[in-house]
Amino acid sequence: NAGVMQNPRHLVRRRGQEARLRCSPMKGHSHVYWYRQLPEEGLKFMVYLQKENIIDESGMPKERFSAEFPKEGPSILRIQQVVRGDSAAYFCASSPQSGLSDYGYTFGSGTRLTVV
Amino acid sequence: GESVGLHLPTLSVQEGDNSIINCAYSNSASDYFIWYKQESGKGPQFIIDIRSNMDKRQGQRVTVLLNKTVKHLSLQIAATQPGDSAVYFCAERGWGSNTGKLIFGQGTTLQVKP
Repeated sequence: NAGVMQNPRHLVRRRGQEARLRCSPMKGHSHVYWYRQLPEEGLKFMVYLQKENIIDESGMPKERFSAEFPKEGPSILRIQQVVRGDSAAYFCASSPQSGLSDYGYTFGSGTRLTVV
Repeated sequence: GESVGLHLPTLSVQEGDNSIINCAYSNSASDYFIWYKQESGKGPQFIIDIRSNMDKRQGQRVTVLLNKTVKHLSLQIAATQPGDSAVYFCAERGWGSNTGKLIFGQGTTLQVKP
């Protein structure tokens, strides 16, 4: 019974390249959340998706960032033309419903993006 | 403004002692709070939660207290062990749109001395 799976665990990109971060939710979970964590800081909400729908993207930067959760396959967080300020840990979480149930939701181990 | 913050960035305790980690929140309309533990290189791990209609909730070795009057949340860990060393975050559920969005504080590092 695997938890939330994120890959890659570590990703190094040069400035200007694209970064693709993948998240496979727990089995049976249809809600996915992406958070970003800068060093020495708490997690900041980015986007909430259900299958094939973006429900809340209020935390997403207006440019270069996009997210999707297709009917089949993992959720993808895509960062185009990365800059050094994008270096952070990106966490994905999933829940069976809209996060209103007890126990919050389950986080993955994160992808650590380093932009050089 | 909308914020969840922690009073102390680092807390150092002796093994076996009790630990208390504090958190202040700013939105009196928040109705659900969670404490997470994050070990180095890992994702946040759920510890305990509490709804706004409660003042106290207990788990295994942990207790969360909620004081809505002063908008304060605390996590108490009994008989702190070396394995409790981690960063602890409080989080409140975003209000309004029922999206499940969580607002995290900056975190308190708990160091347990043997």
